[in-house]
Amino acid sequence: AQTVTQSQPEMSVQEAETVTLSCTYDTSENNYYLFWYKQPPSRQMILVIRQEAYKQQNATENRFSVNFQKAAKSFSLKISDSQLGDTAMYFCAFMKPATNAGKSTFGDGTTLTVKP
Amino acid sequence: GAGVSQSPSNKVTEKGKDVELRCDPISGHTALYWYRQSLGQGLEFLIYFQGNSAPDKSGLPSDRFSAERTGGSVSTLTIQRTQQEDSAVYLCASSALVRGYGYTFGSGTRLTVV
Repeated sequence: AQTVTQSQPEMSVQEAETVTLSCTYDTSENNYYLFWYKQPPSRQMILVIRQEAYKQQNATENRFSVNFQKAAKSFSLKISDSQLGDTAMYFCAFMKPATNAGKSTFGDGTTLTVKP
Repeated sequence: GAGVSQSPSNKVTEKGKDVELRCDPISGHTALYWYRQSLGQGLEFLIYFQGNSAPDKSGLPSDRFSAERTGGSVSTLTIQRTQQEDSAVYLCASSALVRGYGYTFGSGTRLTVV
């Protein structure tokens, strides 16, 4: 079974600075997908960024980028120019599409607070 | 619909009562997932549907929990004889199952058993 570990339960960053959230996972699969989801205090979870394991290039979405290290099974999220609206809980997720129709395994989350 | 809709958004029930939680996924999304999130915790997988079938029910905590999906669309999660430990936010998500497509989540139902 896959496991996803987020070792930082809580983090904080000053507005406009950069922060990196860590995620490691354990799998014997070669093809899979990784995701970061954001859950603001309003509760609705939204997809931030996705990475396909067979792509070496790191995914980027505006201020959000990932550092995907396949051999190390590491998938960190970097948020640049942090904004107050980035305050949320962030979840790393692993998806193995070949079976279980896209069932995802989630980490326990990292609570990020952006301070003014 | 435009997004995943869950109802009710909040539910307070007495211990021992049955509750039904509803999820209306994005139109055309073939896969539907139920997760449970306890206060400040991660997501616990409950069950997923591919169309109207539930190939994986492995996360249902006990036989008090059941779920169904009809017409490849709306899903209902039923908890019978609720217990205080059932208190949590129940999240529903749907996916188009296009390669690498992530989930679209609903806003969840906060269940409180008193």
